[in-house]
Amino acid sequence: KAGVTQTPRYLIKTRGQQVTLSCSPISGHRSVSWYQQTPGQGLQFLFEYFSETQRNKGNFPGRFSGRQFSNSRSEMNVSTLELGDSALYLCASSLTGMKTYEQYFGPGTRLTVT
Amino acid sequence: AQSVTQLDSQVPVFEEAPVELRCNYSSSVSVYLFWYVQYPNQGLQLLLKYLSGSTLVKGINGFEAEFNKSQTSFHLRKPSVHISDTAEYFCAVTLNSGNTPLVFGKGTRLSVIA
Repeated sequence: KAGVTQTPRYLIKTRGQQVTLSCSPISGHRSVSWYQQTPGQGLQFLFEYFSETQRNKGNFPGRFSGRQFSNSRSEMNVSTLELGDSALYLCASSLTGMKTYEQYFGPGTRLTVT
Repeated sequence: AQSVTQLDSQVPVFEEAPVELRCNYSSSVSVYLFWYVQYPNQGLQLLLKYLSGSTLVKGINGFEAEFNKSQTSFHLRKPSVHISDTAEYFCAVTLNSGNTPLVFGKGTRLSVIA
């Protein structure tokens, strides 16, 4: 069974631009969570989608948004990029979404904002 | 809200020596606890989890952890490490309702020296 895939793996953007990251969960998984990983703040939860609905949201500004499609694939968007948005963005999928400990992580998208 | 403290940011250890990575949590309600490992340029992989039952939990790659409720700790141990264990290790907690996001510690970088 294929694992969680994230595209692109690496991305360089300029401050002020916007970016869209994509995550394809494991087949059959209906929940997708997004995390931001930085050296200073560590791993921080962004949001979780289950059956196309945002169910949980972390403490991030409104510039960070996401969505989930009917096939469970998810995208996250960051508008008006800032230098501090440079991070590894990790996506995780789980089967039912009700037991978030059964999460399987993708390799991440490394975003660099210049 | 729950929180996790990983007491050591870096742990160097010689090959075949034992290792303990320390994790303490804070929560006013019952929690589930996890250890994840992250190899360079990869996502997170679940090592082991404590949900209920025996306080000694065995995971993959020879790792084990012990849940100590009175000490609010969940330390990770391995009796003999290999070079391939060099990675970043993250302790995480979620409420035992199972539908809240994972809260991660800042991570411990384990470096195994030949």
